[in-house]
Amino acid sequence: DTEVTQTPKHLVMGMTNKKSLKCEQHMGHRAMYWYKQKAKKPPELMFVYSYEKLSINESVPSRFSPECPNSSLLNLHLHALQPEDSALYLCASRTGENEQFFGPGTRLTVL
Amino acid sequence: AQKITQTQPGMFVQEKEAVTLDCTYDTSDPSYGLFWYKQPSSGEMIFLIYQGSYDQQNATEGRYSLNFQKARKSANLVISASQLGDSAMYFCAMREEGDFGNEKLTFGTGTRLTIIP
Repeated sequence: DTEVTQTPKHLVMGMTNKKSLKCEQHMGHRAMYWYKQKAKKPPELMFVYSYEKLSINESVPSRFSPECPNSSLLNLHLHALQPEDSALYLCASRTGENEQFFGPGTRLTVL
Repeated sequence: AQKITQTQPGMFVQEKEAVTLDCTYDTSDPSYGLFWYKQPSSGEMIFLIYQGSYDQQNATEGRYSLNFQKARKSANLVISASQLGDSAMYFCAMREEGDFGNEKLTFGTGTRLTIIP
């Protein structure tokens, strides 16, 4: 199983809503990542979890709250987002090997 | 400072021809890895190929090969016998090696490749 899954595929939310994005992998990878990608731009790193501990936070606003409940699961909790937060949110994972595998992404629209 | 540079915003290539996508990088770290990803319009980032800075040979994966010229700091992707399904955005990326889970993958701005029938 060489797959990173993400749910939901699409999400539309209002600025007062609270929602969560979910990422799952069963490859035994011990580093997991959240990226944000705006249209026609490269992905930008948001957070990294290493062995279920937050190791990198790229100065992301607190309205984005990551969580890593176990080694297979990564969540991104969203609260009071702005329209400019609309983007493709990509999850990725890796082992100590070289590849970093990405999930299919969640397309988020904030109204 | 830009660490990864992709100078071709878009390319059009005839089907079955070979194509080279350019990538140059900048680092003072002796240990690093270079990656190429393909992103179709569906959005998923598909890993294509990896080259480590200490690898002596150029990486190859099926129709993909990485032309690694360390002294010139370039890591061009070569796709042989292009197919219509190769039409996508292609990103070059670099990871400067460090403690596991504390390294970052830095992406270039991408090249949109269109294969013409």
